[in-house]
Parts: sequence; structure tokens; C-alpha cells
Amino acid sequence: GAGVSQSPSNKVTEKGKDVELRCDPISGHTALYWYRQRLGQGLEFLIYFQGNSAPDKSGLPSDRFSAERTGESVSTLTIQRTQQEDSAVYLCASSPVSGQGYEQYFGPGTRLTVT
Amino acid sequence: RKEVEQDPGPFNVPEGATVAFNCTYSNSASQSFFWYRQDCRKEPKLLMSVYSSGNEDGRFTAQLNRASQYISLLIRDSKLSDSATYLCVVNSLKQLTFGSGTQLTVLP
Repeated sequence: GAGVSQSPSNKVTEKGKDVELRCDPISGHTALYWYRQRLGQGLEFLIYFQGNSAPDKSGLPSDRFSAERTGESVSTLTIQRTQQEDSAVYLCASSPVSGQGYEQYFGPGTRLTVT
Repeated sequence: RKEVEQDPGPFNVPEGATVAFNCTYSNSASQSFFWYRQDCRKEPKLLMSVYSSGNEDGRFTAQLNRASQYISLLIRDSKLSDSATYLCVVNSLKQLTFGSGTQLTVLP
């Protein structure tokens, strides 16, 4: 079946611009996660959704970052007034439910470059 | 202290060698453990879950030591295609916490 998809696959933007990244989880997966991975670094948790609610926003690095999810499906991660340090690969993952023991399935990521 | 710590490597081993990676975690309440594999410029993919009794999948063996809070991954008869970064993953409440990964290169 279809896996997690993300768009765009690559995004180059100028410093100060807003960007919107999209994630389509696997159909029926209620849990959705956003991570950031800087070049040569590990995954940094940003936020997760259980259904349409976001119980844990602790990983969002600043108030320039926000995310929403509608219809227990598509999620968007918005970065306002982008900075060069926002350059990274943004990975989305989904899981049948949140909680212990469930595998997360990752999308291919969006590579964001802020110039 | 990081929640999940791994030796970053790199580990460079000849084809056919046996290689082992260790990972330590800080939250003693963690219940679920995984090894993910990430190829260069690709997304992470689940390699195997780690069970208390230890588990084996072909050439791969994973073990968990709760008392010492570490997880291991053993790869036997390594192949060129095993070259990747191996991520130790531990559940933390309702999210997974990823280690920074151990880079493995299998040399011909």
C-alpha cells in the first residue's frame, strides 16, 4: 500500500520567508510525528499528533514553528520567517496509534535550504 | 546526559566480519526498543524490534539488558549492503527517542 508521502521533496527559500511542509500519513494511522534532521546529526523530535490534537509540542524549537493536522490525515508544518539554522531535512512519520511498541513509518522527507 | 547514547563510529569492517553496536538509555521506565537503519540521504526504516528475551532475524541479533539499560545489535557475516547508519530507538512516553546513530561501512 501507499506509504507516508511528503511534499515538496526539496525547498529552497530565502531567509525571512515562510514555508509550509506537507505530510500525508499512511491511511488509517492516527499518530503522526514530525522530526528534524540536520546534516550529519540525529533525529530531533518536533511534535506529534494523536488524531487532530497535539498533546506534545515540546520539541518545537521556537514560536516560528507551528503544525496542524486536519481530518486525522494531512499535516502541515509551517516555519515563519525562516532562518539559516532552519536548514535541515524535515521528516514525517506515522504510526497506527501512539504509544509504546508501535513502529513509526517514515516519509522521504523534505530537504529545506534557507539561503 | 542524552536520553539515548550511541557510539557514532564510524565502524569500518571487512565483508564477512561480525560487528556489534551498543546503545545506552537513561529512562529506566522505557518499555519498547528498536533498531532502525538509515541509508545516506534516505529516511529511517525499522530494522528490528528488541525484546527482553533477545531476538534474532537472520544475520542480525538484538539484545536488551534492562539492569544496565543498554541495547545491542550484532551483525554477523556483514555484507556491503549493510553499510548504513544504525539508529538505536527507545520509547519515551508516547514518542520515540532516537540516538544519533552509529555509522557502519562494510569494505570489500
